Amino acid sequence: DQQVKQNSPSLSVQEGRISILNCDYTNSMFDYFLWYKKYPAEGPTFLISISSIKDKNEDGRFTVFLNKSAKHLSLHIVPSQPGDSAVYFCAASAYGNQFYFGTGTSLTVIP
Amino acid sequence: EAGVAQSPRYKIIEKRQSVAFWCNPISGHATLYWYQQILGQGPKLLIQFQNNGVVDDSQLPKDRFSAERLKGVDSTLKIQPAKLEDSAVYLCASSPRAYGYTFGSGTRLTVV
Repeated sequence: DQQVKQNSPSLSVQEGRISILNCDYTNSMFDYFLWYKKYPAEGPTFLISISSIKDKNEDGRFTVFLNKSAKHLSLHIVPSQPGDSAVYFCAASAYGNQFYFGTGTSLTVIP
Repeated sequence: EAGVAQSPRYKIIEKRQSVAFWCNPISGHATLYWYQQILGQGPKLLIQFQNNGVVDDSQLPKDRFSAERLKGVDSTLKIQPAKLEDSAVYLCASSPRAYGYTFGSGTRLTVV
């Protein structure tokens, strides 16, 4: 049972434009969400987080939006850079228990 | 600070053989996780340790997989005997608390 879904396996964006990565979840008990970035042959690295008491969290070029009623979160990268090309995973947790990961979206930023 | 160390980076074995992976978490991190990531899928939690005790191993195939955390620090994950479907990247992560953990680079296992 896939509780966290990333329905777009890949995304291509021109350098300088906005990248929007989407994530949907089914468990209304999830109260903490993370985005991870993964380069080939490396482990995932933490990017940005958001708790369910907020609907937006911003860190530099990265902003995560949470829509609890729709059970949807998105990661915006503005402006996109070629170094952002990687696989992005969203993950969700309920009350500090294990995280459930989406299947990832491969982002390619075209110079 | 030093990151989460894992070894080996790559391993190729034949089915029915045994294999062991090692993880050294970040110093002071009480919680340690082993994840299995099959190509094209997100990481799946295999086992979670809090210090040297097991918190969650509900998704660990216990007939062939075992894990231990020595003295609440290093951890080993073993597969015996390996199957073709065990081919994956095995990721270790550690955390000082429930949220926001750090991953190691992983061990890529290929079972032939």
